[in-house]
Amino acid sequence: EAQVTQNPRYLITVTGKKLTVTCSQNMNHEYMSWYRQDPGLGLRQIYYSMNVEVTDKGDVPEGYKVSRKEKRNFPLILESPSPNQTSLYFCASSSLDSTSGNTIYFGEGSWLTVV
Amino acid sequence: AQSVTQLGSHVSVSEGALVLLRCNYSSSVPPYLFWYVQYPNQGLQLLLKYTSAATLVKGINGFEAEFKKSETSFHLTKPSAHMSDAAEYFCAVRTGTASKLTFGTGTRLQVTL
Repeated sequence: EAQVTQNPRYLITVTGKKLTVTCSQNMNHEYMSWYRQDPGLGLRQIYYSMNVEVTDKGDVPEGYKVSRKEKRNFPLILESPSPNQTSLYFCASSSLDSTSGNTIYFGEGSWLTVV
Repeated sequence: AQSVTQLGSHVSVSEGALVLLRCNYSSSVPPYLFWYVQYPNQGLQLLLKYTSAATLVKGINGFEAEFKKSETSFHLTKPSAHMSDAAEYFCAVRTGTASKLTFGTGTRLQVTL
């Protein structure tokens, strides 16, 4: 079954305590990305990756880091979380093959609260 | 640059009434267009997508959307609303396999008895 798996699904943490949200996909997709969802703002892209060792900033990258050491994994790192990073985070992946129909697969989301 | 505008952050309809959620896009190249639904406390589910084939796209749960290039619109409709349709709906645009998905700000659909 095609899946994008995120962990943890729910997390409450304190300001400044480094955390990592993992993301893994089993579809051999080249393209992976992270979004955050905030009320009234929809989903905004944080970072994306076109393939292993290739990452780039999205629309709201400040305060986040990512890495792409393996094709299937794309962790999101918050080095020093702040309360304004309290949000719902989604990982997504898709194939760069045009015959795939451009479908983007999303994980189930990670609710992060920074106090 | 690509962008999406969803008119109306909240839409309320009676059960059995027509659902119409509006989406307009901006894109310098032919777009791929999507509608996603998010039920309370859940993730995103793809309702339907337009990928330059038929302009009228049918999706799951009785929803459909029509791509109108002249109006740069991709409105979502359903002939008869059901209570289970209450959710938040997002329109999104992508201009190629190597580009990001840009979302609208979402429309929350309320269905009343």
